This record gives sequence, structure tokens and C-alpha cells, in this order.
Amino acid sequence: QSALTQPRSVSGSPGQSVTISCTGTNSDVGGYDSVSWYQQHPDKAPKLMIYDVRKRPSGVPARFSGSKSGNTASLTISGLQSEDDADYYCCSFAGTYTVVFGEGTKLTVL
Amino acid sequence: QVQLVQSGAEVKKPGASVMVSCKASGYTFTSYAFIWVRQAPGQGLEWMGWISANSGKTNYAQKVQGRVTMTIDTSTSTAYMELRSLRSNDTAVYYCARVAVGGWQLDYWGQGTLVTVSS
Repeated sequence: QSALTQPRSVSGSPGQSVTISCTGTNSDVGGYDSVSWYQQHPDKAPKLMIYDVRKRPSGVPARFSGSKSGNTASLTISGLQSEDDADYYCCSFAGTYTVVFGEGTKLTVL
Repeated sequence: QVQLVQSGAEVKKPGASVMVSCKASGYTFTSYAFIWVRQAPGQGLEWMGWISANSGKTNYAQKVQGRVTMTIDTSTSTAYMELRSLRSNDTAVYYCARVAVGGWQLDYWGQGTLVTVSS
């Protein structure tokens, strides 16, 4: 199972919006609406930010949103804040009790 | 509140085995499954396998198949991951994560366990 493709890095200024893409195949991202996104700060465990493509867990700000088109899922962060500076990973169900993670994207808030 | 508490850091020699535990609390243990994930230094997240806390059924990633065993102890609400024949590139932080009911999102994570493989 190959890792899902994410940009290595993205950046934006406070208040701006950024979008992180996550490209897979028909066997993972394109085949299921079970894409989730995780935020990870240095030396911390990942935190669930988006699940089932576009749903937000309780406590996650509304400026985090998700979408999907074909084999590519996207995470958009609006109104960037300094605390959004972190690594972001997508994850997709890939059939038969299997998930696959993205390569990870480092978001820098300038 | 839901908590997953993992065992402490380990240092192992190449060829040895390591067992990492993940003790759950704050919810009905057997109603969920676990996924184990590892993260090598400076690298991304890698899925290692899945285990049902209800049945003990497992599914392992091809990359570690044959070297990994995941188990469940319902009496102590603890999940275990054993990795054998350790190599230097197994050096990583190992995480357990709970799989949400009816979905595949990982809604709670352990704090991580650093396993260092070095001669």
C-alpha cells in the first residue's frame, strides 16, 4: 500500500486560507468516504481534525473544512492562526481493515 | 474521559523483540478497535495494523507481517503490540489509536512510545 500523496509544505500568513491536497487511488481515497485529517505538533500525538471527508469532531474550529473530488481529498484552513503551524496528515480507509496515511504536509504560518 | 496510556520508552538491540502496551479507560473497551501507527524520526505516520478489541481479529501491514503480533487483554482493557527481529530502521515512536465506531477515523491516541534499536 503506497502512501497518499501530499505536498511536502505549504505556507500562509495569519488570516489567509490554505488548502492541503491528498491524492490516492480508486482503492482508497476515491473508493470510500472515509478520509480523515490529523494535526500534529512537534513531539505530540496526532489529533483528529476532520473525518468522513468533511465532518468536524466536537471542539475543532469551523475554519477547518474538508472536501473530496475523485481520488483527491483536501483540507482547507481559513483564517490562519499561529497555532495552526503544524504537520498535517490525511488518512483513508483502503478496504479490509486497512488504512493508509498521507506523506504529511508541513504548514508554516508566516 | 477517554484515555489511552502507553508503556514507557524502550532501548533494544538488533534482533531483539519489544512489546508496547496501551491501557484504555473511560469507555467500553470491547466496543472499539485499535490501530497501531509508527513514526520514524523526522518521518511520517505509518500504519502497522488493526485489531478488534471485541474479537481479537487482526490485520497487519505487509511491511511488518510475520514480525508483528497485536493482542488484546479485555480483563485489563489493554492492547499490546509486539515487534520481533528488530532492526535499526524500526527505531520510531509507536502510537496506539482508537478506531471510532462505525467509521475509520482515529479519535483518540496514546501518547506514543519511543523504541530505539541500537547495538
